[in-house]
Amino acid sequence: GQQVQQSPASLVLQEGENAELQCNFSSTATRLQWFYQHPGGRLVSLFYNPSGTKHTGRLTSTTVTNERRSSLHISSSQTTDSGTYFCAGTNAYKVIFGKGTHLHVLP
Amino acid sequence: NAGVIQTPRHKVTGKGQEATLWCEPISGHSAVFWYRQTIVQGLEFLTYFRNQAPIDDSGMPKERFSAQMPNQSHSTLKIQSTQPQDSAVYLCASSSHWGTETLYFGSGTRLTVL
Repeated sequence: GQQVQQSPASLVLQEGENAELQCNFSSTATRLQWFYQHPGGRLVSLFYNPSGTKHTGRLTSTTVTNERRSSLHISSSQTTDSGTYFCAGTNAYKVIFGKGTHLHVLP
Repeated sequence: NAGVIQTPRHKVTGKGQEATLWCEPISGHSAVFWYRQTIVQGLEFLTYFRNQAPIDDSGMPKERFSAQMPNQSHSTLKIQSTQPQDSAVYLCASSSHWGTETLYFGSGTRLTVL
């Protein structure tokens, strides 16, 4: 089965609303990372978060390793947050990506 | 630091032609990865080098795809006899320590096979 599963597949928000993106990963996909990709842009690492909670700006990542889940919280969303957010786990050295959550923030 | 550099940004080939894609990883990074991104399949692992040595090419279509890393400053992905289904964005990434840390991606090469 899929080693990394993300939900929702897509999300539309009004600017200012909060977003919660979910990631579930198998026991073979550890060392969670979150990436962001602007349409047509490169993948940019947001968090390397194998466990616990990390913050940067309006973003918070929480990984509960023994429950094999991670979340990405975006507070007070802005139109510039629009794009695709990927969760990825590492199987040995191989980084396996989920299908992504496509976020669209409306002005 | 210019980050991971990929060239060309766009490449258009005719069916049956060869395509060579180039990647310059971040200086000092020992792990280099190639991925393929399509809307349908998402991000697919192709191959991985550690200290220039090929470690895992399990994601590579065997017959027409090959990858090399002749020195620590560049890697190439070659596709022979390109087919329309090879059309995708090919991404190169590097990391500082054997792929166990944050990956840094290039901007990708968009390959279109007519």
